[in-house]
Amino acid sequence: GQSLEQPSEVTAVEGAIVQINCTYQTSGFYGLSWYQQHDGGAPTFLSYNALDGLEETGRFSSFLSRSDSYGYLLLQELQMKDSASYFCAVRDLNYGQNFVFGPGTRLSVLP
Amino acid sequence: NAGVTQTPKFQVLKTGQSMTLQCAQDMNHNSMYWYRQDPGMGLRLIYYSASEGTTDKGEVPNGYNVSRLNKREFSLRLESAAPSQTSVYFCASSEALTRVDTEAFFGQGTRLTVV
Repeated sequence: GQSLEQPSEVTAVEGAIVQINCTYQTSGFYGLSWYQQHDGGAPTFLSYNALDGLEETGRFSSFLSRSDSYGYLLLQELQMKDSASYFCAVRDLNYGQNFVFGPGTRLSVLP
Repeated sequence: NAGVTQTPKFQVLKTGQSMTLQCAQDMNHNSMYWYRQDPGMGLRLIYYSASEGTTDKGEVPNGYNVSRLNKREFSLRLESAAPSQTSVYFCASSEALTRVDTEAFFGQGTRLTVV
């Protein structure tokens, strides 16, 4: 089976740093992904961690620890446009290798 | 480059009516998916097609059918709509269900209301 958990909401101010955590329970997966979705929009890919460690893409970084069944998305120098929902996802080997998504974290960036 | 295109964008159905949601991708992807999104529940997989000619059930297939018409197109059919099927439906595609396939590309969604 598969299960991903994320906080439902996070609030931060412009310019700050915020970390969105994701814990998962699956016996096998390829990697951990993160997607961003603005209200009324489609999910769009942000990052992918195949291996343990930190991946950096501009203001966004993503981390994976397979031994801890844990990952996070780190957003730096927050901007108002970062207000959106963020989903972690795994390619679950026990689920037809399909993308399985967490419930999402709604990030609100305040001025 | 259109990516993944879904039609219609909005739809209101009466209970018991049927409809087909259309999806097409122009990225030459092998795998295609249908998800539904409900508040607080993330994206749940309805059906998927790993490659042309194959379809399989996902997490929530009841009340739906799919057709992989060709490599580009993957449709979702509601035979007898129910209020519980009120949701936002997303079609997605990816290169293939393999280790190197790391990204899913999503259409803009269909907002369906069943009254």
